[in-house]
Amino acid sequence: DGGITQSPKYLFRKEGQNVTLSCEQNLNHDAMYWYRQDPGQGLRLIYYSQIVNDFQKGDIAEGYSVSREKKESFPLTVTSAQKNPTAFYLCASSAGNTIYFGEGSWLTVV
Amino acid sequence: SQQGEEDPQALSIQEGENATMNCSYKTSINNLQWYRQNSGRGLVHLILIRSNEREKHSGRLRVTLDTSKKSSSLLITASRAADTASYFCATSDIRNAGGTSYGKLTFGQGTILTVHP
Repeated sequence: DGGITQSPKYLFRKEGQNVTLSCEQNLNHDAMYWYRQDPGQGLRLIYYSQIVNDFQKGDIAEGYSVSREKKESFPLTVTSAQKNPTAFYLCASSAGNTIYFGEGSWLTVV
Repeated sequence: SQQGEEDPQALSIQEGENATMNCSYKTSINNLQWYRQNSGRGLVHLILIRSNEREKHSGRLRVTLDTSKKSSSLLITASRAADTASYFCATSDIRNAGGTSYGKLTFGQGTILTVHP
């Protein structure tokens, strides 16, 4: 089935560690996005990519990094520079006005 | 900063009643979309209304858009317990260039809807 797959669903990070969240899509979409959601809050855009090998910072890019080496993949690295990384992370893609979301990844700092 | 602001933050109703959620935004938009999120899950697209449209229907959903007031409303008629979820409005500056659509959706903080059986 077509869709967006995020992994892992749950991830625990120790202080000072970098972690990478995976996002894969088989919808043949050019654009991909990463959003962060804090409890009871809306979504905030971290990074987005229009095409392969190109990406732009969103509203809260500090402490995060991304790559877009393949059309299907848009991994997000949460670096140790991100001081408050505990949140729900959502990956999405689009090929028109509608954005399609993955099921999200929970990241907790321990 | 949040572009869309939903009102109310939480809404509790009985099955069969109608639920109305409102969204206000600050800047000019290409379109406005409503999404639904079940607890701990991803968002699902419900409906899109373009800036030149005033009202749109999809099943039990009715969306209105007033660009002069920079506001939109989502009405769910004859609500069901399965409608229990968070509902978000999102404004879009999605653009098209060279056949590719891209851009940003800016989300509000959402309305938590609880429908009691």
